[in-house]
Amino acid sequence: KAGVTQTPRYLIKTRGQQVTLSCSPISGHRSVSWYQQTPGQGLQFLFEYFSETQRNKGNFPGRFSGRQFSNSRSEMNVSTLELGDSALYLCASSLTSGGTDEQFFGPGTRLTVL
Amino acid sequence: KNEVEQSPQNLTAQEGEFITINCSYSVGISALHWLQQHPGGGIVSLFMLSSGKKKHGRLIATINIQEKHSSLHITASHPRDSAVYICAVTATQFYFGTGTSLTVIP
Repeated sequence: KAGVTQTPRYLIKTRGQQVTLSCSPISGHRSVSWYQQTPGQGLQFLFEYFSETQRNKGNFPGRFSGRQFSNSRSEMNVSTLELGDSALYLCASSLTSGGTDEQFFGPGTRLTVL
Repeated sequence: KNEVEQSPQNLTAQEGEFITINCSYSVGISALHWLQQHPGGGIVSLFMLSSGKKKHGRLIATINIQEKHSSLHITASHPRDSAVYICAVTATQFYFGTGTSLTVIP
């Protein structure tokens, strides 16, 4: 069974640009969660999607948004990039919503904002 | 305010030693997760607990819901256990500890 895949793996953008990251979950998993990891703040929860609906949201500004498609693939968008958005962005998939199932993490997308 | 606190932050052990990493949380939770992250970023889920104790190979995880505390134990530690171990809880959202960086010396 293929694992969680994320594309692209590396990305360099400049301030003010926008970026879209993609996450393909394990087949059969309907929940996709997104996380930001930085050396200063550690891992932080962005949002969770289940069956194309956002179920939970962390404490990030509206510049961070996401969506989920009918095949459970998910995208995350960050608009008007800031230097502080440089981070490793991870997604994880699971069978059900709410974090009460094992989470399977993707390899992450490393975003650098110049 | 940190909803999840881990200790210690850094830990160095000799191969074969018994290791304990602690996690305390301040919110009501539906589950607690122990995660392992190796250099390079990949995260693997080790355990998900809502009560009691779980064992997988040399790893044991316990949780005390009343005391809002969990421990991760590694028996007979090995250099390949060197990684960052992260405690996470599921409440209204996911909250993460800052991680424990473990180095096991041969």
